[in-house]
Amino acid sequence: GQQVMQIPQYQHVQEGEDFTTYCNSSTTLSNIQWYKQRPGGHPVFLIQLVKSGEVKKQKRLTFQFGEAKKNSSLHITATQTTDVGTYFCAGRGSNYKLTFGKGTLLTVNP
Amino acid sequence: DTEVTQTPKHLVMGMTNKKSLKCEQHMGHRAMYWYKQKAKKPPELMFVYSYEKLSINESVPSRFSPECPNSSLLNLHLHALQPEDSALYLCASSQGETASINYGYTFGSGTRLTVV
Repeated sequence: GQQVMQIPQYQHVQEGEDFTTYCNSSTTLSNIQWYKQRPGGHPVFLIQLVKSGEVKKQKRLTFQFGEAKKNSSLHITATQTTDVGTYFCAGRGSNYKLTFGKGTLLTVNP
Repeated sequence: DTEVTQTPKHLVMGMTNKKSLKCEQHMGHRAMYWYKQKAKKPPELMFVYSYEKLSINESVPSRFSPECPNSSLLNLHLHALQPEDSALYLCASSQGETASINYGYTFGSGTRLTVV
């Protein structure tokens, strides 16, 4: 079945440092979504990428979708304490089922 | 109204109890979902309803029974659960669920279930 691998599992940074999390799929994806879950909270939709090689920006967040539509990344520039949480990618395959990666827990030291 | 409302927020139930989780959205979304999330794990899909019809059941045990009374409401009926079923149960909705339509999901804040 479809698998979405996400690394790293944990990332601790100093406030102001950059952060990147990566997702890789075993199969070609029709699209990929990114979610953020704060500690004790619920997943919140951030963005969806659909096109091969697509790059989207939201303020300090940059999302990329690979040319082969099998990998994606989320990069945060100059992290802030408000960025703390678990970032999940979720890939949609040919059966249009959304499969979540295991997530990357980001902690930020002020 | 841009949110998904889940009740109750917390639930403790015995293994012989019957209880129900409720989910409501008024965004006009036509797809609704139940997810189960264990601590430090990603959400796991349980059920998908598309236009009020059950479209995906991820081989969920029959002690979990979903119901979609109308396009705004989704219930999850629980009966004879096991302690390992303790988890955060998340409801979500999206604008659609077909091969050609893909939208982000709006999640509710969840019901934290403890089975004793």
